[in-house]
Amino acid sequence: EAGVTQFPSHSVIEKGQTVTLRCDPISGHDNLYWYRRVMGKEIKFLLHFVKESKQDESGMPNNRFLAERTGGTYSTLKVQPAELEDSGVYFCASSQSGSVSGGAYTEQFFGPGTRLTVL
Amino acid sequence: GEDVEQSLFLSVREGDSSVINCTYTDSSSTYLYWYKQEPGAGLQLLTYIFSNMDMKQDQRLTVLLNKKDKHLSLRIADTQTGDSAIYFCAESYTTHRDDKIIFGKGTRLHILP
Repeated sequence: EAGVTQFPSHSVIEKGQTVTLRCDPISGHDNLYWYRRVMGKEIKFLLHFVKESKQDESGMPNNRFLAERTGGTYSTLKVQPAELEDSGVYFCASSQSGSVSGGAYTEQFFGPGTRLTVL
Repeated sequence: GEDVEQSLFLSVREGDSSVINCTYTDSSSTYLYWYKQEPGAGLQLLTYIFSNMDMKQDQRLTVLLNKKDKHLSLRIADTQTGDSAIYFCAESYTTHRDDKIIFGKGTRLHILP
């Protein structure tokens, strides 16, 4: 079974440009999360989708970030316009719904990340 | 508040035990985790422990939890070169199982020959 995939693996853009990151979760996983690690800092939560709905977007830094998950399958994270401080590695994770697992612990499976560099 | 602290670097000789320590602040944490990130790879869940447990062992890995001191440790016995990676301590702190994970900055484990 394929794991969580992310595209692109690397992106280098100039300040002010727009970048769109994509995440394909594991098939059948209702939960999809975005996280970000800025160099040398902790991995920080950005937001959580349940199917196509935003369950928690408390970690989104500002309105330059827009996440979508139309149809409840893959998700995109757009940064527009990009700033220098947006550089980092963006991770996506997915997990089964707790109701599907019968209430048992549901692991979040992480993708390899997209390394974004804003010059 | 949400804060997970861990040292940034650890060097260990091959064959010795590695101990990576972590402290967290949220006493309502339900799950505590150790993730491993190898170069160019994503985050791999190594192990997790429920907050009502003191210890969990899985082959070469031993996790110890001191809930009173909010201290979590990961011991890797007989450290191998393949253990070289960044290890992230993490917590999630609600009773909802589908919730965000709070990570530390990661400890880079370097294996000496």
